Amino acid sequence: AQTVTQSQPEMSVQEAETVTLSCTYDTSENNYYLFWYKQPPSRQMILVIRQEAYKQQNATENRFSVNFQKAAKSFSLKISDSQLGDTAMYFCAFMKRANDMRFGAGTRLTVKP
Amino acid sequence: GAGVSQSPSNKVTEKGKDVELRCDPISGHTALYWYRQSLGQGLEFLIYFQGNSAPDKSGLPSDRFSAERTGGSVSTLTIQRTQQEDSAVYLCASSLQGMAGNQPQHFGDGTRLSIL
Repeated sequence: AQTVTQSQPEMSVQEAETVTLSCTYDTSENNYYLFWYKQPPSRQMILVIRQEAYKQQNATENRFSVNFQKAAKSFSLKISDSQLGDTAMYFCAFMKRANDMRFGAGTRLTVKP
Repeated sequence: GAGVSQSPSNKVTEKGKDVELRCDPISGHTALYWYRQSLGQGLEFLIYFQGNSAPDKSGLPSDRFSAERTGGSVSTLTIQRTQQEDSAVYLCASSLQGMAGNQPQHFGDGTRLSIL
């Protein structure tokens, strides 16, 4: 079974600084997809970034980038130049098939002014 | 453009009552998913619809839970004889197509269900 672990229940960062959120997963699969979702107080889950396991290059989306270490089964999210609007719950997710998407317990990130 | 729409936004009901939650996916999305998010927890998969195929109900926690998707579009999640442990946010998501696993899921704002 696939499991996703986010070891940091809460984190905080000063505005304009950089923060890294950790995620590890357990799988015997070779091909899969990894995602980071953001959930602000509005409750809506917003896709931040995704990574295909067969791609060695780390995905980037503006201020968001990942450090994907397939052998170590690690998928951390780096947020650069943190903004107040980045305050939210962040969920790491693993998907082998569409009907088998597993989420971590989440990391609550607070960006302080 | 229009995103995934869920209604009601909030629902408060008494223990033992039945509730229906509605999800209107993004137009053209063939895959639809229901998740449950208990307070302070991650998302728990409930059920998945893909086109006209039989749904994957493997995540439904009990036979009190059921879901339908009419005409391949709108879906309703029904919880019968609600219990207090059913209190959670119920999230719906849709994607362009499901089987390849490479299409991201787009989420609605969820329905917060509170059982008194």
